Amino acid sequence: NAGVTQTPKFQVLKTGQSMTLQCAQDMNHEYMSWYRQDPGMGLRLIHYSVGAGITDQGEVPNGYNVSRSTTEDFPLRLLSAAPSQTSVYFCASSSTGRSSGANVLTFGAGSRLTVL
Amino acid sequence: SQKIEQNSEALNIQEGKTATLTCNYTNYSPAYLQWYRQDPGRGPVFLLLIRENEKEKRKERLKVTFDTTLKQSLFHVTASQPADSATYLCALPPGSARQLTFGSGTQLTVLP
Repeated sequence: NAGVTQTPKFQVLKTGQSMTLQCAQDMNHEYMSWYRQDPGMGLRLIHYSVGAGITDQGEVPNGYNVSRSTTEDFPLRLLSAAPSQTSVYFCASSSTGRSSGANVLTFGAGSRLTVL
Repeated sequence: SQKIEQNSEALNIQEGKTATLTCNYTNYSPAYLQWYRQDPGRGPVFLLLIRENEKEKRKERLKVTFDTTLKQSLFHVTASQPADSATYLCALPPGSARQLTFGSGTQLTVLP
């Protein structure tokens, strides 16, 4: 049982390049989300999904796309990378999905992205 | 606007003492509040959840209180050890939505 797996762990991009951060979970969790973490600003929600085929925007969605074609995978796409997107990105999942109940998150280990 | 504040970015205490971390929030009425631990280079790990109708929750040497009138949660680490050194984050759901909003965290250092 691997939990939440993020790849790559580290990535350096040039401004304007695109890339996809991968996130996979093997816990059959309905809810998945992406956060970015910047010094002094804490974790900020980018996008989230309450189930396959359903996605929604969080606090800071601009410049990012997501899709949820399967329960297991929730990739985050950077369309045209900018230096402001230099950050540590965390994927997280939980079992609540569309049901009621507290949303207790299981996080991946993070992906550190640098945009030059 | 909604805001979560974790007082003091860093807290240093001596081993064996009790560390108390504070989480204050404004313009929220959360049904529950959570605390997570984050070690350097790793993702946050869930520690405790306390609901709005609970005053206190304990787990081993950890204790959380929740005062919905003061809009504050206190996180206590009793008989602290150097292994308790980490960043501690509080989180709560904004309104009726299930996504979590996080505070910026307090870095706790327990000195031997």
